[in-house]
Amino acid sequence: EADIYQTPRYLVIGTGKKITLECSQTMGHDKMYWYQQDPGMELHLIHYSYGVNSTEKGDLSSESTVSRIRTEHFPLTLESARPSHTSQYLCASSSSGPYNEQFFGPGTRLTVL
Amino acid sequence: AQTVTQSQPEMSVQEAETVTLSCTYDTSESDYYLFWYKQPPSRQMILVIRQEAYKQQNATENRFSVNFQKAAKSFSLKISDSQLGDAAMYFCAYRRGAQKLVFGQGTRLTINP
Repeated sequence: EADIYQTPRYLVIGTGKKITLECSQTMGHDKMYWYQQDPGMELHLIHYSYGVNSTEKGDLSSESTVSRIRTEHFPLTLESARPSHTSQYLCASSSSGPYNEQFFGPGTRLTVL
Repeated sequence: AQTVTQSQPEMSVQEAETVTLSCTYDTSESDYYLFWYKQPPSRQMILVIRQEAYKQQNATENRFSVNFQKAAKSFSLKISDSQLGDAAMYFCAYRRGAQKLVFGQGTRLTINP
C-alpha cells in the first residue's frame, strides 16, 4: 500500500546527542518536505527536495540537515540536539502532477531534555 | 510573498450542526490552487478538499464544501452535519504552480456532543 512512514514516532533524548529522523515513502513521489510544528500551532517548512541529490532550506531557519540519496528516503539529522529542538517534525511528499497535493506522514514528536 | 490567514484560532459546533471555517489569502496571481487539510489529535494530517482558482464551481466532498470567492480572495470551508470525528485542527493552504505550499495558522474545531 502506498504510504509515507516516519520513525521513530516518539523520541526523548538528552542534550548534545546526534539524532536522525527517518522518512520514507512508497508513493513514487519526486518531491519531499520536512515541517516543524509545535503542538496545535502552524506548520513551518524547514527543508524540501525536488529529487535525488537536490535539497533546499525552507522558510524557517533550522540547525538540522537533510539528504536525498534515494527517491523514497529523506532523513533529517540533528548533529547536537538542544531543548529548543523539542517539537513535532512532519514529513510530506507530493507528485509533480497539476495538484501537487502533499501527503503527510504521522510525524515524530521529539523531546530534548 | 503569498500569505494565508485563518482568523479563527478556535471554533466549536454542536454535533449535527453546520460550521464554517474562514480563510483569506493574498496573491497577485490568477492561477493557483487552494487546499484544506485536517489534522486530528495525534493523528496524520490528511487532505479534505481542494480547489483550482480557474474553476468557478465550488468544490464539494461529501459533507465538506468550500465557498471560493476569487475576487475577495476568500476560501471558507463548510462542514455540514458535524460529527465527533470532525474534531481537529484545520489548515488552509495555497500553492501556485510548482511552488511550495503556504499554510495558514490553523483553526481548532471542537465538536460538542
